[in-house]
Amino acid sequence: GAGVSQSPSNKVTEKGKDVELRCDPISGHTALYWYRQSLGQGLEFLIYFQGNSAPDKSGLPSDRFSAERTGGSVSTLTIQRTQQEDSAVYLCASSWGRGASPLSYEQYFGPGTRLTVT
Amino acid sequence: AQSVTQPDIHITVSEGASLELRCNYSYGATPYLFWYVQSPGQGLQLLLKYFSGDTLVQGIKGFEAEFKRSQSSFNLRKPSVHWSDAAEYFCAVGPDSSYKLIFGSGTRLLVRP
Repeated sequence: GAGVSQSPSNKVTEKGKDVELRCDPISGHTALYWYRQSLGQGLEFLIYFQGNSAPDKSGLPSDRFSAERTGGSVSTLTIQRTQQEDSAVYLCASSWGRGASPLSYEQYFGPGTRLTVT
Repeated sequence: AQSVTQPDIHITVSEGASLELRCNYSYGATPYLFWYVQSPGQGLQLLLKYFSGDTLVQGIKGFEAEFKRSQSSFNLRKPSVHWSDAAEYFCAVGPDSSYKLIFGSGTRLLVRP
């Protein structure tokens, strides 16, 4: 079946512009996660959705970052007034979500969006 | 507090040699444990997972990991490394209080020809 997809795969933008990154999770997955990975670094958790609500948005680095999820499916991560330090790969993952089964927490990752701010 | 530590930032091994990547965790109960691999320019792929039962788990690509409760560890092993195993490896534990996984900082594996 189809995996997690992200678009665009690459995005180059000028400093100060707004960007939108999209994530399509696996069909039926209720949980969706956004991570940031700077060059040579590990995973930085940004935000987690369960359905359309975000019980954990503790990782958003500033108020320039926001995310929404509609219809319990597609999610959009928006970065306003981009800065050069926002340059990174943005990864999205999905899982079955909260549940009694440990399989609920197994995350499936998309290929990422590479954002370059010039 | 719940946490996961991968003590080795980089590891270099020769092709054909054995490999062990370390993962230590802090968790109140028996956690769910995962190992993921990230090849250059790719997303993360699940290698293996432990939920309960047999503490030695087999994964894809010839990898295995052993859960040791007494040592709070879940080390990843492979008997003979191939050049294609060069990648970044992430250990994850969960769920945390928000019902998500906590990822380690990763170990970058380099393979010498």
